[in-house]
Amino acid sequence: KAGVTQTPRYLIKTRGQQVTLSCSPISGHRSVSWYQQTPGQGLQFLFEYFSETQRNKGNFPGRFSGRQFSNSRSEMNVSTLELGDSALYLCASSLEGDRGLGYTFGSGTRLTVV
Amino acid sequence: DAKTTQPNSMESNEEEPVHLPCNHSTISGTDYIHWYRQLPSQGPEYVIHGLTSNVNNRMASLAIAEDRKSSTLILHRATLRDAAVYYCITAGGTSYGKLTFGQGTILTVHP
Repeated sequence: KAGVTQTPRYLIKTRGQQVTLSCSPISGHRSVSWYQQTPGQGLQFLFEYFSETQRNKGNFPGRFSGRQFSNSRSEMNVSTLELGDSALYLCASSLEGDRGLGYTFGSGTRLTVV
Repeated sequence: DAKTTQPNSMESNEEEPVHLPCNHSTISGTDYIHWYRQLPSQGPEYVIHGLTSNVNNRMASLAIAEDRKSSTLILHRATLRDAAVYYCITAGGTSYGKLTFGQGTILTVHP
């Protein structure tokens, strides 16, 4: 079966711009989570969507937002980009998003802010 | 979710067994124990999970202490492709999509 697809794979943006990243989960998975990975902070949880509702949120500023569509595809948006937002952004999908079971990660989107 | 403690790095020789330890002393009774690994430039990959009993799959074995305060991931015969960062994670019923990653263990496999 197809895995988790993230687009684009690479992105270069200028400070102050905004960016939208996309994640297509495995068919049938209703939970989509987003993570930011940097060398200094490691993997940090951004938020999770389940059946189009944000169910959980990490400790990130309001510039980071997301949404989920009825087909479970999800997007995350970062507004007013800062240099520190340069990171690998990963999404993971699972059936229920419960107890950490059955997560599959995508290969990520590498965002560089210049 | 309980905090997990892992060694920063470990080394192994190819075709030898590797035992990766993890402490999770504050784990709740219903939390699952998960292991993921991440190869360079890729997203984390599921390895194995368990609740109370030891578990085996084609990739690895998971040995869980009787008090569940620690666990060990066992790679029976390490290959060069097993070189990765290994993360031990606990997650409960209210995790709602959140996996709390620590720093993980960097496994180096020597030919």
